[in-house]
Amino acid sequence: EDQVTQSPEALRLQEGESSSLNCSYTVSGLRGLFWYRQDPGKGPEFLFTLYSAGEEKEKERLKATLTKKESFLHITAPKPEDSATYLCAASPSNTGKLIFGQGTTLQVKP
Amino acid sequence: DGGITQSPKYLFRKEGQNVTLSCEQNLNHDAMYWYRQDPGQGLRLIYYSQIVNDFQKGDIAEGYSVSREKKESFPLTVTSAQKNPTAFYLCASSPRDRGVDTQYFGPGTRLTVL
Repeated sequence: EDQVTQSPEALRLQEGESSSLNCSYTVSGLRGLFWYRQDPGKGPEFLFTLYSAGEEKEKERLKATLTKKESFLHITAPKPEDSATYLCAASPSNTGKLIFGQGTTLQVKP
Repeated sequence: DGGITQSPKYLFRKEGQNVTLSCEQNLNHDAMYWYRQDPGQGLRLIYYSQIVNDFQKGDIAEGYSVSREKKESFPLTVTSAQKNPTAFYLCASSPRDRGVDTQYFGPGTRLTVL
């Protein structure tokens, strides 16, 4: 069964304290691994798509990496405005569907 | 200004009533999706459509219905058969171009059953 698991469920950081969010996946024939940011009461905002193991993508303080079993979202020197829920999703082959994890809620304190 | 719009933002329903949530996109995307989000849970797929006049059930389709008569529109009806409809509903679309599956989301509709 296709499954995506994110850890931790919640993460509290001090401003400037770097950390990583984990996304483990079990998906048949992965076509893509997606990261989204979601603010309270709003729709998810697309961040990255990763297609193959070893691929990395960066955007400001965020860097996403992919291995054959998991993906990491590294947050370098976070700021309070990075506080949000980060969602990971995997796309199994030839389905057109995304399997979402439960999300990691990040709080960055000044 | 391209994007996905959902209306209304907030919706209140009495038990036994059907309600319809609107989703419109002007991105010229082929595929559209409806998800339900409950507190502490990931997004769960209700229905999806990869082409006009065709749609498939997702993981939790019971108590919901959809139509796809136009490329840009994919309304969701929450029927009285849905036992626990209070949730945050999200619509998404995807270009499905050359196998790209990136989905882009609308702002959501929060449905509350009174």
